[in-house]
Order: sequence, then structure tokens, then C-alpha cells
Amino acid sequence: DTAVSQTPKYLVTQMGNDKSIKCEQNLGHDTMYWYKQDSKKFLKIMFSYNNKELIINETVPNRFSPKSPDKAHLNLHINSLELGDSAVYFCASSSPGGLTDTQYFGPGTRLTVL
Amino acid sequence: EDQVTQSPEALRLQEGESSSLNCSYTVSGLRGLFWYRQDPGKGPEFLFTLYSAGEEKEKERLKATLTKKESFLHITAPKPEDSATYLCAVQGGSYIPTFGRGTSLIVHP
Repeated sequence: DTAVSQTPKYLVTQMGNDKSIKCEQNLGHDTMYWYKQDSKKFLKIMFSYNNKELIINETVPNRFSPKSPDKAHLNLHINSLELGDSAVYFCASSSPGGLTDTQYFGPGTRLTVL
Repeated sequence: EDQVTQSPEALRLQEGESSSLNCSYTVSGLRGLFWYRQDPGKGPEFLFTLYSAGEEKEKERLKATLTKKESFLHITAPKPEDSATYLCAVQGGSYIPTFGRGTSLIVHP
């Protein structure tokens, strides 16, 4: 059983194009995240949604727009792709409770912008 | 701003050679410190959450400890299958998770 899934796994596109990455979790979690991992493996949070409401937005260009149709899905749409957007994008989910949140990550989407 | 620094960046061990990975952090109001394992081409996999100084957690050959300024991930008698990148992260009062750059561990048979 896949807990957090992402599609596609690989995405190769030209500069200026618009693309979307989809994420779904079947863990029943309330909170979902998007992270960007650069070529040096640094993992940085981009967005977080709790029950379809945006709660974290970390100085990400407005070309990136997350959309959460329901609490099990969080999609990432990217407009006017740039070379610097090339990275691995991870979706994650967690269930806030107690002191803090343990996050469960998807397998990642490797985006290459040519 | 919360900060996490991991050392060393890379570590090569012989099978059975125990060692420790370090995670130094500064955070406003620590809610939790996390350790994850990441294999090439995969997403991070949760290992441990530590909540307060003095806490320790163990799983197979791994043991995580926490002080007010740093956490250690001790690896006892590692095996080649322990080879991976180990990520440390903190979550403070802002609820924004902050990750370190990871330690890449290679265990030679």
C-alpha cells in the first residue's frame, strides 16, 4: 500500500512551459507539504496545507501555486518554468497531534528544465 | 531563524565499525527533532522523533540522543545496508520544519 504517492516521477520540459505535479496520501493525515531538494540534497519546505488551508508559504516565487482539492491531495502547479526550478520535489504528509508532527514523504518528482 | 548543521558531510566506515553522526541546532522553542534516512532516488524515511534534552531512542543498530544544542545518531556495528544519507530536522515554535544538509554514510563490506 502506497502511503504518499506522486506523479509523475520524472518530468523533463522546456523553459517557459507550465507543468503540474500531483500528490495523494492515503494515511488520513490533515497536513500536507511540498519540499524542494536541490542538487546538493538540501531539503527546503515550500508550502504546507492543513485541511485544504494554506498555513506555510516560504518565500516561494508566485510562479508556484499549490492547490488542495481535499485533504488527501495537494498538487503543485508551476508557471513559466526556469532553469533554476530543476530539482527534486517531495510531497509529505503528517497528522498534527501532541507536541509535533512526524512527516511521511513521497518518492519525489525529478524536474529537469532545459 | 532556525538552523541545523550536520557533520560530517560524508562518512565512510568498514562493516562493524561503530560511529556517530552529529546534528547541531538552534531553534526557538523546540517542539521536536527528527532523524530521517534517505536512500538514492527515494524520499526521506522517518527514523526517530526526540522531544526534550536527555531523551534517547533506539531502533536496531541506530540510537538517537538529544541535548539542548545537538543530537547524535549512533550507529553500532553498521552493515552495508545502513549506507544512506541521514537527515536531521527541527521543528520549533513557528512549526516550520528546518532540515540540515545531511550526512552521506557509506559502509564498506
